[in-house]
Amino acid sequence: EAQVTQNPRYLITVTGKKLTVTCSQNMNHEYMSWYRQDPGLGLRQIYYSMNVEVTDKGDVPEGYKVSRKEKRNFPLILESPSPNQTSLYFCASSSLNPLLGQKYNEQFFGPGTRLTVL
Amino acid sequence: AQKITQTQPGMFVQEKEAVTLDCTYDTSDPSYGLFWYKQPSSGEMIFLIYQGSYDQQNATEGRYSLNFQKARKSANLVISASQLGDSAMYFCAMRRLYMDSNYQLIWGAGTKLIIKP
Repeated sequence: EAQVTQNPRYLITVTGKKLTVTCSQNMNHEYMSWYRQDPGLGLRQIYYSMNVEVTDKGDVPEGYKVSRKEKRNFPLILESPSPNQTSLYFCASSSLNPLLGQKYNEQFFGPGTRLTVL
Repeated sequence: AQKITQTQPGMFVQEKEAVTLDCTYDTSDPSYGLFWYKQPSSGEMIFLIYQGSYDQQNATEGRYSLNFQKARKSANLVISASQLGDSAMYFCAMRRLYMDSNYQLIWGAGTKLIIKP
């Protein structure tokens, strides 16, 4: 089954304690992205990656790091979490291949990680 | 800069009625895609429908259709014969279709739809 997985699904932590949220996709997608969702703001992009070892900042990158050492994995790292990073986080992936037809544009989303930083 | 506006924070609709969720967008790009996603209370994002800026016909997917009016920059989602299971948050999103650009989705704030029995 084609899917994007994220772990953990729920996490409560304390300020300053480093954490990693993992993201993995099994569709051989080149493009991967992290978003955070906050009430009234929709989703905002944190970081994205166009392929292995190619990452770049989105709209709200402060306080986050990412890496893309393998095509299937795109972990999100919070080196020193703060309460303003309490949010719902989504990982997404997409093919860059224009030959797959209409739905090549679709981004597939993971189930979300609900993070609370106390 | 790209922007998505959803002007309806919440809607109540009677079961079996049709629903129109509004979405207007702003972009200077000639080539873009418009998406609608559904987010039930469980939190996952479910892709509903896609419309490309150069598509000649409005997109349809089962009970979902997209009323695309390019000149007015609107991409409203129409749900026919609403069901209780349609109660959810609905997001409109957009992104550029250039091959070398960030595939970032720009999102609206969402509309909370509640279907009444």
